[in-house]
This record gives sequence, C-alpha cells and structure tokens, in this order.
Amino acid sequence: DVQLVESGGGLVQPGGSLRLSCAASGLSFSSYNMNWLRQAPGKGLEWLAHISTTSSAIYYADSVKGRFTISRDNAENSLFLQMNSLRDEDTAVYHCATSPAAGYCSSNWCYGPNWFEFWGQGTLVTVSS
Amino acid sequence: EIVLTQSPGTLSLSPGERATLSCRASQSVSNNYLAWYQQKPGQAPRLLIYDASTRATGIPDRFSGAGSVTAFTLTISRLEPEDSAVFYCQQYGRSPWTFGQGTRVEIK
Repeated sequence: DVQLVESGGGLVQPGGSLRLSCAASGLSFSSYNMNWLRQAPGKGLEWLAHISTTSSAIYYADSVKGRFTISRDNAENSLFLQMNSLRDEDTAVYHCATSPAAGYCSSNWCYGPNWFEFWGQGTLVTVSS
Repeated sequence: EIVLTQSPGTLSLSPGERATLSCRASQSVSNNYLAWYQQKPGQAPRLLIYDASTRATGIPDRFSGAGSVTAFTLTISRLEPEDSAVFYCQQYGRSPWTFGQGTRVEIK
C-alpha cells in the first residue's frame, strides 16, 4: 500500500520557521512529481509547491513564494517543506501529494497533467503568538 | 488564475438517489484537465476522477465525470451511506492549479 506520512507540524509564533517532512513508502518515489498542499481549518484545499522527479523544476504558489522552499531526497524517499516568515494565515493542515511525472514546469508556470493521486493525512501547523 | 465555482453548496439526498455536482470554471480549462476528489472528515482527499472523465484506480463505476471547456459535473449514480463527504473539483489546465470551494453531500 502507498503511504505518505507527514511530520514536523506544531505551534510556532508569527515570523518563525518550521520544516515539514513527508516520508513515502509503497511506491517508486523517484518516479513521481511531488507537491505540498494545505487546508485551513474548515476551509478548502490550496496547492502550494511542486517539485519534479529530479528536482530540476520547482514551482510555487504566489502565497508562499519567497517564504517556503520545497525539496526532496529520492535516496531517502522523502519530501520537505522549509517554511520561513510564517504568518497567522499559514495556519492549516499541510499535506504532501503525488502527481504524474509528465508535463513541463518553469519557475513561473507549468503545463501538463497534474492531478494529485496519493495524499498523506497531513500535519497541523498553527501560527499564533 | 482560474476560479472554480462549485454548486450546490450542500446536497441532501437519500440512499439510492442520484447526485449531480457542478463545477464551473472562470476560463476555459485546457485539455479538460479537471479532477474530482472526495474528502471525509479527518481524512485526506481521495482522487476520484481525472482528465474530466477517467476514473482513478479502484473507484466504483457509480462515480462518473463529464463536461468540457468551463462546465463539468460529477455524478454519483446510486448514493450509498458511505458517500457522505465533501467533494472538490481541481483544474490543472493552467497553473497555478486551483480547487473549487467544495460541495457537501449529506445522506439522509
């Protein structure tokens, strides 16, 4: 069975930093593009960041560009999200999710299929003083 | 960015009934690059449909997707009690990838 398990969430003050991890098993991790998404309490889904299979293409939503950094370690089947300059509105459950290794991304746009097939249960990040 | 508007906000139906959920896009969704997800309380979203009408692996055939350009639908042909959830549409025709606000399906 495919498993994606996020960790690293918690309570952090505004302006603080946090690093999230996503451990993958049951799939060929290096064959999937990977993404971070979030869901604020009682709200809908928001895509945040995308990284290609070899980390050659990385793309961010405007809401987190310049503050968050996505990275991956294929040898360790792991995905990461470094979050800096956190704001109250970043409070949410953060999910990692796979997407097909297809299409093309530059730093400013992407083209091609990008549905989110496998998801982790998420880790809660609370930004509050 | 493409804004997706889902309707209705909530659908309350009985087991065995047919549910039709709508997702309208503010701009044309190229290649009909649209997906549907189901999310139950406390769980991660589950992919149901991609490319507007292709069922994901393991999804029962009572779930079907249709539509093109700016108007898409998810139909659940015969509701079962376990279908109670929030359903989201997502477009990947143009980045940034965006989601609708969700439709809640309640089973009476």
